[in-house]
Amino acid sequence: QQQVKQSPQSLIVQKGGISIINCAYENTAFDYFPWYQQFPGKGPALLIAIRPDVSEKKEGRFTISFNKSAKQFSLHIMDSQPGDSATYFCAASYNNNDMRFGAGTRLTVKP
Amino acid sequence: DTAVSQTPKYLVTQMGNDKSIKCEQNLGHDTMYWYKQDSKKFLKIMFSYNNKELIINETVPNRFSPKSPDKAHLNLHINSLELGDSAVYFCASSLLGGNQPQHFGDGTRLSIL
Repeated sequence: QQQVKQSPQSLIVQKGGISIINCAYENTAFDYFPWYQQFPGKGPALLIAIRPDVSEKKEGRFTISFNKSAKQFSLHIMDSQPGDSATYFCAASYNNNDMRFGAGTRLTVKP
Repeated sequence: DTAVSQTPKYLVTQMGNDKSIKCEQNLGHDTMYWYKQDSKKFLKIMFSYNNKELIINETVPNRFSPKSPDKAHLNLHINSLELGDSAVYFCASSLLGGNQPQHFGDGTRLSIL
């Protein structure tokens, strides 16, 4: 069973726009929520991560919003650029590194 | 100075064969993983190793066996390959403990004919 649900499956955004990807989880034991970015032919690369004791984390144009009571978290990409076009995965893990990934969102940023 | 490297990058073979994929990391991490990414891009953990001990073993067929000669290497052996094994296999590594980021290799694309 999929423990982390991610939406949308694909997303098309104009250059300069905001990209928003949402994830929901069920298991309250998860204590680490990273986002990974994957380009074609490459492995996933850590983009940004958050712990459940924080409601928001920002790194440059990338922001994670976390809602512990709703068991949801989202990635916002501000001022989206064509170079951001990639597949994005949310994930969640327990203390023992057992990482569970969402199904991925293919983002296309049009120039 | 690649952090996590896998070989080969592509592997094309016949059904029923036995094959191995190698993984090496030079990050000084003590935990390594194998993931399978299917045609729909879904990533699923298969194994992880810490200090030569298996600490996670998902419900994968026993045709798949991880082998770790030392902390820096985790190889994946696959026996009697089946059509459904066609996928991209990723190796990753991290430090042990909660909330440690995982670093991925660039994957091995396995195609079964």
